[in-house]
Amino acid sequence: DAGVIQSPRHEVTEMGQEVTLRCKPISGHNSLFWYRQTMMRGLELLIYFNNNVPIDDSGMPEDRFSAKMPNASFSTLKIQPSEPRDSAVYFCASSLGMRAEAFFGQGTRLTVV
Amino acid sequence: GENVEQHPSTLSVQEGDSAVIKCTYSDSASNYFPWYKQELGKRPQLIIDIRSNVGEKKDQRIAVTLNKTAKHFSLHITETQPEDSAVYFCAASPGGGNKLTFGTGTQLKVEL
Repeated sequence: DAGVIQSPRHEVTEMGQEVTLRCKPISGHNSLFWYRQTMMRGLELLIYFNNNVPIDDSGMPEDRFSAKMPNASFSTLKIQPSEPRDSAVYFCASSLGMRAEAFFGQGTRLTVV
Repeated sequence: GENVEQHPSTLSVQEGDSAVIKCTYSDSASNYFPWYKQELGKRPQLIIDIRSNVGEKKDQRIAVTLNKTAKHFSLHITETQPEDSAVYFCAASPGGGNKLTFGTGTQLKVEL
């Protein structure tokens, strides 16, 4: 298995533009998590899904952020409009159930200029 | 919500020495405590975890201890090697699942 796959690996965009980050979880995993990592705030959980259903989005910083999981093999995190303070590494992780080990993707490094 | 504090923020040891990283948590409902290792530019990877029904867990050179009364847990790495150099994160989860609150990380440097 290729593990959790995220795309793109790097994204540079201008302030105000829409950004879409993509994640393909490990096949068979039914829990998916989106994290954001910055130097200032460390690793923060933004939202997580169980069986494609959003369970807790309390970590989503603002209404500019939205996430979807239309099927078991794909999730998106969208920022619209993007701002410089959104610059961070965004990680997607998946696990087989909520109590199993969470495997992280390689992350997407987002830079908003 | 849960709050996890981690110390030290940086740790430098000589190869072969032991390294200890400590974390405290605030939510007494937390009962799952994983540790992740993150090498520069790479993804966090689980190295060991412990659930609240045990006080200590070992895996070769790595061990984790948990004191639920005091709400703290620690990572112990013995016989450190240069490849142990990385950032280590502790985390805690109420409910035992993967809704994790992470500590701020410890940059471990193992010097030859």
